[in-house]
Amino acid sequence: EVLMTQSPATLSVSPGERATLSCRASQSVSSNLAWYQQKPGQAPRLLIYGASTRATGIPARFSGSGSGTEFTFTISSLQSEDFAVYYCQQYNNWPPVTFGQGTKVEIK
Amino acid sequence: EVQLVESGGGLVKPGGSLRLSCAASGFAFSTYTMDWVRQAPGKGLEWVSSISSTSTYIYYADSVKGRFTISRDNAKNSLYLQMNSLRAEDTAVYYCARAKQLPEYDYWGQGTLVTVSS
Repeated sequence: EVLMTQSPATLSVSPGERATLSCRASQSVSSNLAWYQQKPGQAPRLLIYGASTRATGIPARFSGSGSGTEFTFTISSLQSEDFAVYYCQQYNNWPPVTFGQGTKVEIK
Repeated sequence: EVQLVESGGGLVKPGGSLRLSCAASGFAFSTYTMDWVRQAPGKGLEWVSSISSTSTYIYYADSVKGRFTISRDNAKNSLYLQMNSLRAEDTAVYYCARAKQLPEYDYWGQGTLVTVSS
């Protein structure tokens, strides 16, 4: 099973600032990595797949990069609606599909 | 518009059973792999099970293998999860999710809460 480790657990950022989240896989997952956003009481929403491709309707301020075992997710200028929990997920070596434990992006 | 609507959650005693359903609309359900993903209260996401478009390929997480059964009815555009021998640690919101191509999930239902408690 591929272990996904996200850092930091919590990120405090001011609106308008840049947020950078990390995700590390215990073994190579190629580019088969996705990022999701989840707000309280809501289902997750797909933001990025293939490590760097934005899903339909996702604003350009969201971006992803990396391959193999190291991945980065960036929000270039945080908007109020971006404060949420973000999860990475690998789907290269499955089953099982595995998720990171999440990074909470909170208002500084 | 793609919609996934789960139902069937509720309170059940340890050792009991529950059947979750997911009604799909707005897309060609029979051509997509569908999965169940769960989230325990205050915790992260955990993949539960996957079923291919024609039910040829079925997979389970080790934590539910032998207790849960995934199925689908393409004529009814519906996905199911039969959960038996439920344990307290199965308490979670259960989401059905559409796999875009590989299991990256482009659409999710709103979730249904399963609580296992005496």
